Amino acid sequence: NAGVMQNPRHLVRRRGQEARLRCSPMKGHSHVYWYRQLPEEGLKFMVYLQKENIIDESGMPKERFSAEFPKEGPSILRIQQVVRGDSAAYFCASSSTSGSSYNEQFFGPGTRLTVL
Amino acid sequence: AQSVTQLGSHVSVSEGALVLLRCNYSSSVPPYLFWYVQYPNQGLQLLLKYTTGATLVKGINGFEAEFKKSETSFHLTKPSAHMSDAAEYFCAVNTNDYKLSFGAGTTVTVRA
Repeated sequence: NAGVMQNPRHLVRRRGQEARLRCSPMKGHSHVYWYRQLPEEGLKFMVYLQKENIIDESGMPKERFSAEFPKEGPSILRIQQVVRGDSAAYFCASSSTSGSSYNEQFFGPGTRLTVL
Repeated sequence: AQSVTQLGSHVSVSEGALVLLRCNYSSSVPPYLFWYVQYPNQGLQLLLKYTTGATLVKGINGFEAEFKKSETSFHLTKPSAHMSDAAEYFCAVNTNDYKLSFGAGTTVTVRA
């Protein structure tokens, strides 16, 4: 049973370009979470999605960032017009049932974004 | 709001020695506490979690952690380190929803 898949694992972008990060949840999981880890900091919650719905995006910057989880295909985290401060590791997690604190989130290996 | 502090970003231990990773949390309501491990090029894996009940929690790979409310701590221990324990360890907390708050992580190296 494959775990949570993220690609690409490493992404380099120049300032002003767009970054697209993909996350395929574990088989049978319909809840996806994105976290960001800035250098020397812990992971911070960004957004929680279910299929075709954004449930909670309170941790996501209001500008340039967007996320989706379509009916078919992976979840996408999109960052437009990237800046150096967006350089970080972006982790995706998935869970099988409702997003409650009891339910284990399974994490992917992360995408390391570097903005030049 | 909740937060986590991990004391020590790097810990080096000898093979066979005690592993002790410190985690303190702040939370205005009873917390749920977690330890995750990340091996190189892999995702975070849950080691153990505390929700309610027994305050000493046993996890995988011989790790255990004790919830001490009076000290707001959830330190992770393993009696005897193995080379395979070399990894990064994250303490995390949440309260009544899905938003995990993580510490900055502790990298463990094991000396032969």
